[in-house]
Amino acid sequence: GAVVSQHPSRVICKSGTSVKIECRSLDFQATTMFWYRQFPKQSLMLMATSNEGSKATYEQGVEKDKFLINHASLTLSTLTVTSAHPEDSSFYICSARTSGGPPQYFGPGTRLLVL
Amino acid sequence: GQSLEQPSEVTAVEGAIVQINCTYQTSGFYGLSWYQQHDGGAPTFLSYNALDGLEETGRFSSFLSRSDSYGYLLLQELQMKDSASYFCAVYSGGYQKVTFGTGTKLQVIP
Repeated sequence: GAVVSQHPSRVICKSGTSVKIECRSLDFQATTMFWYRQFPKQSLMLMATSNEGSKATYEQGVEKDKFLINHASLTLSTLTVTSAHPEDSSFYICSARTSGGPPQYFGPGTRLLVL
Repeated sequence: GQSLEQPSEVTAVEGAIVQINCTYQTSGFYGLSWYQQHDGGAPTFLSYNALDGLEETGRFSSFLSRSDSYGYLLLQELQMKDSASYFCAVYSGGYQKVTFGTGTKLQVIP
């Protein structure tokens, strides 16, 4: 089956620093990648959708200058949380799919803790 | 905008059948998916319905009625490992837009 990896799996950083999270599709070409944020006991909130070689489309309320997304190749997308603050602490999950539509294949997620 | 409603919690007995409903409001509907998420883990794909009717995959089945903006996930022969959260998700805008439901926490008891 399709495998999506995410790195790092867990990160702790100081307030004001930037954190980069990588999402890779290991055995398929991901035309589209999605980035989600999930707070404890809540649903997945879509942050942005990115297509390879294009600018990401951000959901309403998500600051594009704070959450930088780059989808440079068909197998790699990165999310950079800039100037992280404690309220950015969350579970960040990426997913990827081919051009044919669902399903999405999810990465294992990254737990971010900002102190 | 998009909105989806699911029951927040469901409890069922091992070996039984449980149905988790999902009602949605969306524009430009493409299809409905179901995902399973265990505590601390990432979601895993269960099913996808683009057309009306029932799709069966092993112990899991999913149903869609586009005219009623309604779908459900049916889990048969429940096992303890099925205890997890289940999310419905609506695709729209040419699959570029996906909205997840609030999730249903299923507890399977002996």
